[in-house]
Amino acid sequence: GEDVEQSLFLSVREGDSSVINCTYTDSSSTYLYWYKQEPGAGLQLLTYIFSNMDMKQDQRLTVLLNKKDKHLSLRIADTQTGDSAIYFCAETAYSGNTPLVFGKGTRLSVIA
Amino acid sequence: DAGVIQSPRHEVTEMGQEVTLRCKPISGHNSLFWYRQTMMRGLELLIYFNNNVPIDDSGMPEDRFSAKMPNASFSTLKIQPSEPRDSAVYFCASSPGSVAGYEQYFGPGTRLTVT
Repeated sequence: GEDVEQSLFLSVREGDSSVINCTYTDSSSTYLYWYKQEPGAGLQLLTYIFSNMDMKQDQRLTVLLNKKDKHLSLRIADTQTGDSAIYFCAETAYSGNTPLVFGKGTRLSVIA
Repeated sequence: DAGVIQSPRHEVTEMGQEVTLRCKPISGHNSLFWYRQTMMRGLELLIYFNNNVPIDDSGMPEDRFSAKMPNASFSTLKIQPSEPRDSAVYFCASSPGSVAGYEQYFGPGTRLTVT
């Protein structure tokens, strides 16, 4: 079945850029999402990218998609301590009754 | 909109007791999902509904787990009898659209501790 892989941990210094990477196997993926989970909270939809796009920018967030390599990344510019959280990558073919497939999440730690 | 509402937020119970978790999805959303999250296993999809009908319950760990969605605004996840290994955070999520592959909106979760 479909699979989404992420590295488990990332540590960066406050003010630096963070890059969280994700690879997926489903070539029919239509939408790819990034979710953020803060301690003690549910997953919050951060941003998404449609498969016919290479890049999407939203304030400090930049999503890059390499469809050929099935690689997705989330770049957070000027990382702040409030960005410390678990970040989940998810993909969907957006059809039928197949729900989102989530990765295991990357725990981002921001060092002051 | 109030978002997805879950209750209770915390539940502590003894092994063997029945536990019922509740979820109110976002109004107008057609799909509802139940997840379990633990440190060891990460985020696991247990079951999901589309238009109140269970579509896939292959993630439900055992017969001790059951889920219902009697109407578009309410769902329950029941564990009977509960066991210590059921301790986890249980999330409910809802999704717009007529199929399950749309973006999901998560509730705050119920932290279950079974002693």
